[in-house]
Amino acid sequence: GIQVEQSPPDLILQEGANSTLRCNFSDSVNNLQWFHQNPWGQLINLFYIPSGTKQNGRLSATTVATERYSLLYISSSQTTDSGVYFCAVDKENTGNQFYFGTGTSLTVIP
Amino acid sequence: DGGITQSPKYLFRKEGQNVTLSCEQNLNHDAMYWYRQDPGQGLRLIYYSQIVNDFQKGDIAEGYSVSREKKESFPLTVTSAQKNPTAFYLCASSRALRGYEAFFGQGTRLTVV
Repeated sequence: GIQVEQSPPDLILQEGANSTLRCNFSDSVNNLQWFHQNPWGQLINLFYIPSGTKQNGRLSATTVATERYSLLYISSSQTTDSGVYFCAVDKENTGNQFYFGTGTSLTVIP
Repeated sequence: DGGITQSPKYLFRKEGQNVTLSCEQNLNHDAMYWYRQDPGQGLRLIYYSQIVNDFQKGDIAEGYSVSREKKESFPLTVTSAQKNPTAFYLCASSRALRGYEAFFGQGTRLTVV
């Protein structure tokens, strides 16, 4: 398989603060996605980003595929940003599988 | 609206019973997946299907079965052979198997009582 490590495992922020979440992966990938799991359990797509940089409002993501990592930036955090953030990768040359990291649990306090 | 619908949202099962979780998508996606999530953990793949009438085991297929008779539907049966079935189950779909964005349903929370 492929190892997907996320850091930090837990993060507590004051509302308005910025943060960076990291995802390291151990092999070449076709696809990398960032998800936000809301308190009801649903996985919300944030970014589909196998390489490069994308921005969506207060969130942006960068994947450096050659160095096997991706970063998710959250700026001016809000309480609604709380939840668990997962990255998932789709490994090259395998049958199929999205490999998920164990997530970063973010709590934004007012 | 296009999307993935899982039902029911909550399901209670007595030990020894089989139960079936529904997953329907209207995104015209070929590939569909079932994942299991345990508390504080990431997702693990149970089964996936590349196309109608074809499906493959994932990492934790034991005690589960699936069918793919229609493109839109990929039901998961949790059998009595699954020793620890209490978990959160998520269904997903993507345009094809590799290199495409995956989208998830709202999940089904199964509890064995």
